[in-house]
Amino acid sequence: AQSVAQPEDQVNVAEGNPLTVKCTYSVSGNPYLFWYVQYPNRGLQFLLKYITGDNLVKGSYGFEAEFNKSQTSFHLKKPSALVSDSALYFCAVRDGGGRRALTFGSGTRLQVQP
Amino acid sequence: DVKVTQSSRYLVKRTGEKVFLECVQDMDHENMFWYRQDPGLGLRLIYFSYDVKMKEKGDIPEGYSVSREKKERFSLILESASTNQTSMYLCASSRPGTGESFFGQGTRLTVV
Repeated sequence: AQSVAQPEDQVNVAEGNPLTVKCTYSVSGNPYLFWYVQYPNRGLQFLLKYITGDNLVKGSYGFEAEFNKSQTSFHLKKPSALVSDSALYFCAVRDGGGRRALTFGSGTRLQVQP
Repeated sequence: DVKVTQSSRYLVKRTGEKVFLECVQDMDHENMFWYRQDPGLGLRLIYFSYDVKMKEKGDIPEGYSVSREKKERFSLILESASTNQTSMYLCASSRPGTGESFFGQGTRLTVV
């Protein structure tokens, strides 16, 4: 079975400060890892993914994530937060050799204060 | 621009009604998925389909069924709606392999 944990329900950060949204995962095979963002009353938008290769992945809107195999983590980061980054963020995982559907974490609400 | 379209943004249905949620994608994707989203629980997989007329149960299939008669269309059916099925329903599609899933805008269903 595959699972994702997002330990923080909410993250608060001041505009201009760096942000981190945490994610840890569990899969039996090679992990395919994803971050999505959801704005109010909208569907999910893809931010970035890790399949293989460089452990630091760059994505949309200045976000990046670091894959750490030993800690089974895939934390989302941004060097300088914007108020417009305030949204709900979901981490998701797929087993590369297994089920085709993503398993999602419970989500982390990011609040960036002006 | 790629698109996954869900037929309704908001629906209100009565307990016991049969409810159909429709989803269409224009990307010729093989895989299609139905999730429900509830606060604090994230997205949970109800059903998915990897080809026409093929379907597999997800993590919470009870009370739901699906239909995929054409590649671009994936329907979720609530056989007899109940109040605990009040939720946000999200449809998604993807290609086989390493590609990401693309999501529709969601249908907020209220069962009264």
